[in-house]
Amino acid sequence: DGGITQSPKYLFRKEGQNVTLSCEQNLNHDAMYWYRQDPGQGLRLIYYSQIVNDFQKGDIAEGYSVSREKKESFPLTVTSAQKNPTAFYLCASIKRRGEAPGELFFGEGSRLTVL
Amino acid sequence: AQSVTQPDIHITVSEGASLELRCNYSYGATPYLFWYVQSPGQGLQLLLKYFSGDTLVQGIKGFEAEFKRSQSSFNLRKPSVHWSDAAEYFCAVGARVTNTGFQKLVFGTGTRLLVSP
Repeated sequence: DGGITQSPKYLFRKEGQNVTLSCEQNLNHDAMYWYRQDPGQGLRLIYYSQIVNDFQKGDIAEGYSVSREKKESFPLTVTSAQKNPTAFYLCASIKRRGEAPGELFFGEGSRLTVL
Repeated sequence: AQSVTQPDIHITVSEGASLELRCNYSYGATPYLFWYVQSPGQGLQLLLKYFSGDTLVQGIKGFEAEFKRSQSSFNLRKPSVHWSDAAEYFCAVGARVTNTGFQKLVFGTGTRLLVSP
């Protein structure tokens, strides 16, 4: 079955360490997204990518980096520059359908805890 | 810039009772509107969406939502709640950001639904 796979599901990190969250999709979707979720704040967009080798900053990109070397993969690196990295991270993708927004498909998320 | 307000942080409903979750949006053009549901520790699942046409849209799991342009609202309803409906519900508004067709979803802060026996 097609879907989005995020790994790891749980991750613990010491302060000052970089960590990379994996996101892989086999839906043949063009665009991919990373959202951060904090209690009471909903989802906030970190980065997005419309096509391979292209990505754009979202609303809260500081302290994060991404790459899009393959259509299926959109890893997110949480760097030591991110001041408050403990959060639930959600990857999503969408098949571009002309100019109308369509359904965003989500992975099951990765929970990062900084010790 | 577009925004979404979900005024209720928590709502408790008795099993079998009706449900209405409120959502107000701010957007200058015709909005694309969505409701998603999230179980604890999981990703989000689409319940329903509104793009155009009939302002009353039907979704999965017996949910429906009504788009009211005059009130800038897109409230979610269900006539009879089941215990399995307990989850967090997010309203979102989508818009084309650039001429390339990029779609950005802006989410509300969510409403947590508790179902009492």
